[in-house]
Amino acid sequence: DAKTTQPPSMDCAEGRAANLPCNHSTISGNEYVYWYRQIHSQGPQYIIHGLKNNETNEMASLIITEDRKSSTLILPHATLRDTAVYYCIVRGKAAGNKLTFGGGTRVLVKP
Amino acid sequence: GAVVSQHPSRVICKSGTSVKIECRSLDFQATTMFWYRQFPKQSLMLMATSNEGSKATYEQGVEKDKFLINHASLTLSTLTVTSAHPEDSSFYICSAREGEISEAFFGQGTRLTVV
Repeated sequence: DAKTTQPPSMDCAEGRAANLPCNHSTISGNEYVYWYRQIHSQGPQYIIHGLKNNETNEMASLIITEDRKSSTLILPHATLRDTAVYYCIVRGKAAGNKLTFGGGTRVLVKP
Repeated sequence: GAVVSQHPSRVICKSGTSVKIECRSLDFQATTMFWYRQFPKQSLMLMATSNEGSKATYEQGVEKDKFLINHASLTLSTLTVTSAHPEDSSFYICSAREGEISEAFFGQGTRLTVV
C-alpha cells in the first residue's frame, strides 16, 4: 500500500471548518483513500473514503486532487467531540486490502 | 455504519494465564477480520488477518503460537493471548469487513493488563 504523510497535530476552533491534509504521492490507480478517526481509548471510527471523485457524507467531505497525490478531509463545523486522531490510509488490492495505520493527525478542537 | 462488538472491554489477568477476546459483527457477515494492537501514544499495529474458515495470516514479528486466532464463523473471531506476560499489556482492537472492497469497521477495543 502507498504510504501517507500527515501533519502530526493541528488545532481548530469550535464551529469552524477543519481541513486535514494528507499526502499520498505514490498512490496507484486502484488504491482508495480512507479516513478514520480514533477518539481516546476507543476503536477507530470510519469517516469516509474515495477513489478519485470528491465525496461527502453526514460526517465530512473528502477532496481528492486531480492527480490523486493528495487529499483533504473537511469537517464542516468542528465540535469539541471531533477531538481525535485522524488517520488517512491508502488501501488497495495489492496488499490484500489491509488497513495499515500511520501516525495520523492529532486534532484538538478548542472552544 | 455496521456494528462490530468486542468483548471484554477490559481485562486484568495474571502472568502466565491465557486470555480470550471475542469480536463479533452484529449486522453483517464478516468474511475478513483483522486484529490490531496499540501501545500507549502509538498508532495501531496490524497483527493478523483472518478469513472465515481459513488459518490466519500473521504480520512479520507476531508469534502465531502466542496469539491464537480463530475465525470459525462469519460473525465471530477470537484472539487468545496465551501465557500472557506484562509486556503483552496493550489495547487490542478487532476490525471486520464484509467484502474485499467494502470498508472495515472496528470494535471498541479491549484493554489487557497483565500483572
